[in-house]
Formats: sequence, structure tokens, C-alpha cells
Amino acid sequence: KNEVEQSPQNLTAQEGEFITINCSYSVGISALHWLQQHPGGGIVSLFMLSSGKKKHGRLIATINIQEKHSSLHITASHPRDSAVYICAATGTASKLTFGTGTRLQVTL
Amino acid sequence: DTGVSQNPRHKITKRGQNVTFRCDPISEHNRLYWYRQTLGQGPEFLTYFQNEAQLEKSRLLSDRFSAERPKGSFSTLEIQRTEQGDSAMYLCASSSGGYNEQFFGPGTRLTVL
Repeated sequence: KNEVEQSPQNLTAQEGEFITINCSYSVGISALHWLQQHPGGGIVSLFMLSSGKKKHGRLIATINIQEKHSSLHITASHPRDSAVYICAATGTASKLTFGTGTRLQVTL
Repeated sequence: DTGVSQNPRHKITKRGQNVTFRCDPISEHNRLYWYRQTLGQGPEFLTYFQNEAQLEKSRLLSDRFSAERPKGSFSTLEIQRTEQGDSAMYLCASSSGGYNEQFFGPGTRLTVL
């Protein structure tokens, strides 16, 4: 069992839909990261959070420490949101432990 | 551009050859990380440095792999006697401290024939 698990693995949505990607982790963490990866490999950090909720534009990330669960929400999705979204955890060491990613395709 | 850079971006080599990759972190960042990502999977941790000291190495890092950060700035990752299973994207990231946001480079895609 992977220490960080994401669902769903693949997600197709129509433009404008509200999207939720879930992440569960089984270890104690100091922070939870949401990352975006476009074709070609480049990874961009979207959020780093250790409690509560953060919002940036149409993206919202939440974390529940007691339940070891985090969600990434995208409001009013757009085709340019199509990418792989990766959840990663920082434990007692500062290295990241990654989930396998959620491949999102937003269609017109 | 002051982001993390990696060279080369692509490397094709024959099995048994040695390859070396370079990562230049954001200049004031003291932490540097190497990760490996195979197709369809999330990245996996390989090793990381604080300044020039290599603080942790993954069990994934066999004896054929070696990483250095001699002056606490750029880092190199060398793979000796490459195998087809080494084919992957090698990602470098840097941060300004242990639990701060990590900034990723574009990666080096290695193909071993």
C-alpha cells in the first residue's frame, strides 16, 4: 500500500464543471503539497498546506489532519486545466512522497 | 530566468554506457533534491543535499548511481553501466529550507536502448 493514495486516477470533465481530486495519506506529515504536471514533465507547485484551506484563483485545497485526507477542487474548469495533478506529503524528512497522480482532461 | 534548470533535457544512450545529468538550483536555495519518475507513475525520491552534504539516499539508488553537490550550488547525478530499467524522467528540485516549497526543474528524460 502506497503511503500517499489519490483518486480518481483519471478524470474527464466538461468545461465549467466543478472538479474534486482526493488524496489520502497513511503517515504523519508536516505538510501536504498539490502539484501540477503538464505533458513534457514540468512540475509546478500549486499549494503547500498543513491545516485548513487555501485558495488561489479557481483552485482550492483543503486538508483534514485527523482524517489524513486532502482535496483539491477546481471551480469553473477550463480545457487549460488539463494536466496531471499530484498529491505529495512531507514527513519527518523534507523529501516528498508522491501519489501516482490524477490525469484530468477537460473538454469543451 | 532564475528557476531550476537541468541539462540535458533529453539523453538517449546504449545499455552499459555512463551518463551524467546536471541540475542548477535557484541560487539562494540550500536544499536540492533528485527524484525519478517512470511513465504513468508519480515521482520517487532518490537523494537530497543540504548545501554540499548528501543527507539521505533512497534504497532505489543502487551502487551504479552517484550524486554530488561539490560546492553547494549545482549538482550532478551519474549513472554508471546504464540498464534499460533506468529509463525515466529524472527531476531535480530545490528549496530554501527543509520544509519549504520545492521548485522543480524541467527534468532530464533518459532513454536507455
